[in-house]
Amino acid sequence: GAGVSQSPSNKVTEKGKDVELRCDPISGHTALYWYRQRLGQGLEFLIYFQGNSAPDKSGLPSDRFSAERTGESVSTLTIQRTQQEDSAVYLCASSLVLLTYGKVYEQYFGPGTRLTVT
Amino acid sequence: AQTVTQSQPEMSVQEAETVTLSCTYDTSESDYYLFWYKQPPSRQMILVIRQEAYKQQNATENRFSVNFQKAAKSFSLKISDSQLGDAAMYFCAYRSRIQGAQKLVFGQGTRLTINP
Repeated sequence: GAGVSQSPSNKVTEKGKDVELRCDPISGHTALYWYRQRLGQGLEFLIYFQGNSAPDKSGLPSDRFSAERTGESVSTLTIQRTQQEDSAVYLCASSLVLLTYGKVYEQYFGPGTRLTVT
Repeated sequence: AQTVTQSQPEMSVQEAETVTLSCTYDTSESDYYLFWYKQPPSRQMILVIRQEAYKQQNATENRFSVNFQKAAKSFSLKISDSQLGDAAMYFCAYRSRIQGAQKLVFGQGTRLTINP
């Protein structure tokens, strides 16, 4: 079946502009995650959606960052008034979730969106 | 908060040889998961191997195995019979086993080069 897809693959924007990044999870995956990867760094958690529960926004770096997800489908990560430090690859992942203690399923990652703020 | 440290920014190995990538982590939890992910130039993160902290036996997946030392909070990855296709960035990651704590905490990564 299809994997996680993200669009656009690359995005160049001017400082101060708003950008929207899109993630299409694997069908049936109730959990969706956004991570940020700065050049030469590891992945930083941004936000996590699980079904209709309130999202875990603990990783969002500032109020310029927001994300939405409708049901168990597409998610959009929005960065307002972009800054040069926002330049990074933004990766989305999805997984199944079984709401019992400790059950974990593999997170499947998309290819990411490379954002460059000039 | 949990942290993951990979102290080797770059490693290289001759094709067909064995290489070990290091990872240490810090946590106050007793039950958790550890992972190694591979990221080739395509940027796609690929799960290589996982270890459950309550299991004493080290995980193995074909040419990939781990050395999990819980007391030392160490989780190294051994790649045997290295192949050119193994060249990539490798990330160590931690996940709590607490319900609802789904996020992965990643190390900084190790760039592995395979010399033919």
